[in-house]
Amino acid sequence: GIQVEQSPPDLILQEGANSTLRCNFSDSVNNLQWFHQNPWGQLINLFYIPSGTKQNGRLSATTVATERYSLLYISSSQTTDSGVYFCAVEQSGGSYIPTFGRGTSLIVHP
Amino acid sequence: ETGVTQTPRHLVMGMTNKKSLKCEQHLGHNAMYWYKQSAKKPLELMFVYSLEERVENNSVPSRFSPECPNSSHLFLHLHTLQPEDSALYLCASSQGSGTSGTQYFGPGTRLLVL
Repeated sequence: GIQVEQSPPDLILQEGANSTLRCNFSDSVNNLQWFHQNPWGQLINLFYIPSGTKQNGRLSATTVATERYSLLYISSSQTTDSGVYFCAVEQSGGSYIPTFGRGTSLIVHP
Repeated sequence: ETGVTQTPRHLVMGMTNKKSLKCEQHLGHNAMYWYKQSAKKPLELMFVYSLEERVENNSVPSRFSPECPNSSHLFLHLHTLQPEDSALYLCASSQGSGTSGTQYFGPGTRLLVL
């Protein structure tokens, strides 16, 4: 099956800093999503982005499907950005079931 | 509050018990999902109900049985579970088929199998 690798596994930032999270995948995909899980376990679907770039406030994501990676940008980070960011991909020609990466754990200090 | 509720929030069961997890969405969505999040493995999508069709992750054992009586309610029936099934079980809903719709997650049911 498809492999999904996220980097870095852990990230610590000072409030106000910018960061880039990366998701690499090993095969062609039909679908790619980014999720955020806050420290209390609540999961939020951030982006559906099989290709191109999308922005939502301080967050933006870019997927370069031909090179098999996606990037999540966080600008002017806030303490509420802390948590784990997951990438999930749906392999082209595969089942509908997505494969998740192990996530990037982000801590933003005030 | 995301509009997706799950009950119970915590559950402890023995390996011979039968229990059910319940999920209800108040968002008017037409797709619902069960996810499993365990400490040692990546998030796993178990089942999807979308437009009255069900998609299953083939890796999910048969001791997990989903039921979706209508577009607002989703159940996960559990029987003869194993300790390795202990995990956080998350429900989600979205509008639209497939994973193109934004998913809204419930708070989860934390399950411990003894």
